[in-house]
Amino acid sequence: QKEVEQDPGPLSVPEGAIVSLNCTYSNSAFQYFMWYRQYSRKGPELLMYTYSSGNKEDGRFTAQVDKSSKYISLFIRDSQPSDSATYLCAMTVQGAQKLVFGQGTRLTINP
Amino acid sequence: NAGVTQTPKFQVLKTGQSMTLQCAQDMNHNSMYWYRQDPGMGLRLIYYSASEGTTDKGEVPNGYNVSRLNKREFSLRLESAAPSQTSVYFCASRMMTTGTGNTIYFGEGSWLTVV
Repeated sequence: QKEVEQDPGPLSVPEGAIVSLNCTYSNSAFQYFMWYRQYSRKGPELLMYTYSSGNKEDGRFTAQVDKSSKYISLFIRDSQPSDSATYLCAMTVQGAQKLVFGQGTRLTINP
Repeated sequence: NAGVTQTPKFQVLKTGQSMTLQCAQDMNHNSMYWYRQDPGMGLRLIYYSASEGTTDKGEVPNGYNVSRLNKREFSLRLESAAPSQTSVYFCASRMMTTGTGNTIYFGEGSWLTVV
């Protein structure tokens, strides 16, 4: 079993829809949780960063962490075609050199 | 601010040829990484360097060597390229402090094809 599980999709939704992307993990020691967005033929770029449990909001994006369920989510409100990309979750423990990445979910927003 | 810069962006190699991917970061980060990304496999760590002068193996180190030349530069070398090394390679760096220092910053990628 992988340490981080993420449904690879693809996920296709109409413009304006609310999108929910999720990752589950098995290591209860993870403390730092990140979401990266990767456009086609580009490197991943940091989208959201969350420490421990709770919610974090940035514009149309909300990241949620539920440590009791070992489950993290990224919500995109009022989705736009420009949100079409692959979204990767990542997590780590303070002091650890390595991050553990999910496989990535490929998202398409249809106009 | 350039961030993480890697070269070349595209390269075609013949089986058995050697080449070096170059990476430099200007963020004064301590740690640097080389990943490969393949369809259906996600990002896989090849090698990483926690500081200048140190390197460690990741998940898929076979067929690769690395050099942490100084704090800014971390190169990846393919000594005898194989078709299985056809992939997109990403260099990344990280500060390794508390809070947002745990985040990792990626370069734009190097597309390598081995024929």
